[in-house]
Amino acid sequence: SQQGEEDPQALSIQEGENATMNCSYKTSINNLQWYRQNSGRGLVHLILIRSNEREKHSGRLRVTLDTSKKSSSLLITASRAADTASYFCATALSGNTGKLIFGQGTTLQVKP
Amino acid sequence: DVKVTQSSRYLVKRTGEKVFLECVQDMDHENMFWYRQDPGLGLRLIYFSYDVKMKEKGDIPEGYSVSREKKERFSLILESASTNQTSMYLCASSFAGIYEQYFGPGTRLTVT
Repeated sequence: SQQGEEDPQALSIQEGENATMNCSYKTSINNLQWYRQNSGRGLVHLILIRSNEREKHSGRLRVTLDTSKKSSSLLITASRAADTASYFCATALSGNTGKLIFGQGTTLQVKP
Repeated sequence: DVKVTQSSRYLVKRTGEKVFLECVQDMDHENMFWYRQDPGLGLRLIYFSYDVKMKEKGDIPEGYSVSREKKERFSLILESASTNQTSMYLCASSFAGIYEQYFGPGTRLTVT
């Protein structure tokens, strides 16, 4: 079973709207990370939130982490067509040496 | 900026051929990773290296081997390519510990 599961699998919104993606996981983590992947390309790191943090911001991105519910959310505000991509959460387990476990991703389409 | 490069963007090989995929990073990262990405399955870790000549199996090592003779270079080897190894292969690197990973652009391998 997946450590990280994302919801929804696909999301389609209009430019200017906000997009929210959720990630749930099963075991204790050291940190949780979000990545973006444009079609056919490598992943790009967006933001890292540690297990003792509850919220983090980076530009139009806002990430929350609820360790009691083992869940995280990524909010993209005022979306743009260029935000169209797949978004993945990845968990770094406690005591881990650096490996990440990736979810299956949310595909976001932002329509102009 | 961190740069992770992969030897080929697209590769077509025949069943039974030996295939080498190379990855080079320029940030003196200790950790290097090989993933494969398939629709509906997300990213799955094949092998991980945390130092020169050191390696650790990931979730799906069968049919693959790796080599890390120099810190900046991590090679993935398919000893005898099979059609079920047709996939997108992604290389990544990171500093030691649990930090963000930097990805290469990916190699789309087709085995016919």
